[in-house]
Amino acid sequence: DIQVTQSPSTLSASVGDSVTITCRASQGPTNWLAWYQQKPGKAPELLIYKASTLASGVPSRFGGSGSGTHFALTIINLQPEDFATYYCQHYLSSVYTFGQGTKLEIK
Amino acid sequence: QVQLQESGPGLVKPSETLSLTCSVSGGYVSTGGYHWTWIRQFPGGGLEWIGSIFYGGRPHANPSLTSRITISLDTSSDQVSLKMTSVTVADTAKYFCARASHLGLNGMDVWGQGTSVVVSS
Repeated sequence: DIQVTQSPSTLSASVGDSVTITCRASQGPTNWLAWYQQKPGKAPELLIYKASTLASGVPSRFGGSGSGTHFALTIINLQPEDFATYYCQHYLSSVYTFGQGTKLEIK
Repeated sequence: QVQLQESGPGLVKPSETLSLTCSVSGGYVSTGGYHWTWIRQFPGGGLEWIGSIFYGGRPHANPSLTSRITISLDTSSDQVSLKMTSVTVADTAKYFCARASHLGLNGMDVWGQGTSVVVSS
């Protein structure tokens, strides 16, 4: 089975800060890596796909990088609405695997 | 635009079969290029992919669930169905359906609001 390790599990930051969340897959290589944002009581929303392509309507302060088995989500100039939980999702050989999630909290 | 709406029983007894439906509006399940996908979220927050199906193709399931699930498309009503047999309390979760575009390569761009399922006697 493919394992996807996302870190950290919790991140504290302030408005205006920049943060990075990482995701590592046990199998690859692949560039089929997506990032989602989820707010309490809501469904996840797609932020980035193909590791670095911004989904429609997503602000440019969100950025994705990486390839192969190591990926990252960076958010610059954090805004109040960015405090949420973030998940990576890996896709390889018709199998989807989610990371464990990162809760981004206000410091 | 495409919208998804899950529906289901809410409460299921252990060992019974869970049946969920995802109704697609603003689009068609027979449109090529999409994986119609079921995901669940446990009370602790983690997301788990259950399985996917695309029009004209065979379903793919999470290896840990493959023996218990059936996913199908109903093109006459534009619905995606999930059946999960022999449920246990560990299957208590919020169940989402989602659309993965470009046969899964471009992420899950449309999600339903989810339906909560509790397994309890």
